[in-house]
Amino acid sequence: AQTVTQSQPEMSVQEAETVTLSCTYDTSENNYYLFWYKQPPSRQMILVIRQEAYKQQNATENRFSVNFQKAAKSFSLKISDSQLGDTAMYFCAFMKTTSGTYKYIFGTGTRLKVLA
Amino acid sequence: ETGVTQSPTHLIKTRGQQVTLRCSSQSGHNTVSWYQQALGQGPQFIFQYYREEENGRGNFPPRFSGLQFPNYSSELNVNALELDDSALYLCASRREDEQFFGPGTRLTVL
Repeated sequence: AQTVTQSQPEMSVQEAETVTLSCTYDTSENNYYLFWYKQPPSRQMILVIRQEAYKQQNATENRFSVNFQKAAKSFSLKISDSQLGDTAMYFCAFMKTTSGTYKYIFGTGTRLKVLA
Repeated sequence: ETGVTQSPTHLIKTRGQQVTLRCSSQSGHNTVSWYQQALGQGPQFIFQYYREEENGRGNFPPRFSGLQFPNYSSELNVNALELDDSALYLCASRREDEQFFGPGTRLTVL
């Protein structure tokens, strides 16, 4: 069974600084997807960035980028130029399609606080 | 704004009761999934519906059931509520290769 581990329950960063959130996962699959979701106090999960496992190039979305190390089963999120609006829970998620089922497995989350 | 809505926002029930939670998405979102997010935890997959049929289920008992309707709405039903069912329930609908989450329903079981 797949598992996702986020070892940092809480982190803080000064506004405009850079922060990296860690995520490791365990799977025997070769083709899968990885995601970072943001959950602000409004509770709505928002997709931050996604990575297809077959792609070697790390995904980037504006200030957000990932360091995907497939062999090490590591998928960290780097947030550059942190903004107050980045304050939220961040969840790492693994997804594998099986017979048309898109089952997401989430980590326990990292609470990020951006300080003014 | 994901285009996925859920109702009600909050709900309080007592142990043993039954509850129905609702989710509404948009045209083209033909797959819907439901998740349970306990306090301080990540969401856990309950089940998925595609074209009104359940086609995937997580480790949840049969008292968790669902329905999907042709108008892109869906329901999560939970019978014989237990205290541990207190959680945020999220629905997520899928369009093409992206999943969109609703804001959730906070269920409290007393």
